[in-house]
Amino acid sequence: NFMLTQPHSVSESPGKTVTISCTRSSGSIATNYVQWYQQRPGSVPTPVIYEDSQRPSGVPDRFSGSIDYSSNSASLTISRLKSEDEADYYCQSYDSSNLWVFGGGTKLTVL
Amino acid sequence: QVQLVESGGRVVQPGRSLRLSCAVSGFIFSNNGMHWIRQAPGKGLEWVAVIWHDGSKEYYGESVKGRFTISRDNSKNTLHLQMNSLRAEDTAVYYCAKDRGLLWFEKWGQGTLVTVSS
Repeated sequence: NFMLTQPHSVSESPGKTVTISCTRSSGSIATNYVQWYQQRPGSVPTPVIYEDSQRPSGVPDRFSGSIDYSSNSASLTISRLKSEDEADYYCQSYDSSNLWVFGGGTKLTVL
Repeated sequence: QVQLVESGGRVVQPGRSLRLSCAVSGFIFSNNGMHWIRQAPGKGLEWVAVIWHDGSKEYYGESVKGRFTISRDNSKNTLHLQMNSLRAEDTAVYYCAKDRGLLWFEKWGQGTLVTVSS
């Protein structure tokens, strides 16, 4: 079994860049793709990154995803922050035993 | 466009049963796996169950295994979740979601609220 651990919250100013991490507790982060979902207050989750670094149609290129094998983690980076980016962000991966797993979520505050 | 509309959520007493439905349109339902995902009030996301495109396989999260059953009717473009022996901790918004590649959740419905309380 594995877990995905995210920071509880992050904050940054408009126009700046923020990175949210997602650390896999056991097994390699490279074993299965990582996805990221944005959930604005009162709204439905929507994917912003799939397969580690791909953006769904309509997601601005300010959003990017990456994998750091040394820290066994995935990261979501949002550049040129806007107030509309304020939301909860969840990472997600898959494992043949755990099946579909979510991180605990990170609340992004745009100051 | 792709639409998923959940229904069936309501207040139900502990130990009772409830059936949720998800009506889909805008894509070939019978070609896609489907999931249920839930979110307790003020909490994070929890994957609940998946069913293969043809209904041949089902898998469940540990917290619902043996109590919940996922099913689908490809002739009616509808997904279901039968929830038995409900507990207070099952209180959540339940989302149905369209699978992509048996890896992630491409499109989500608006959700339906299930409240388990006496």
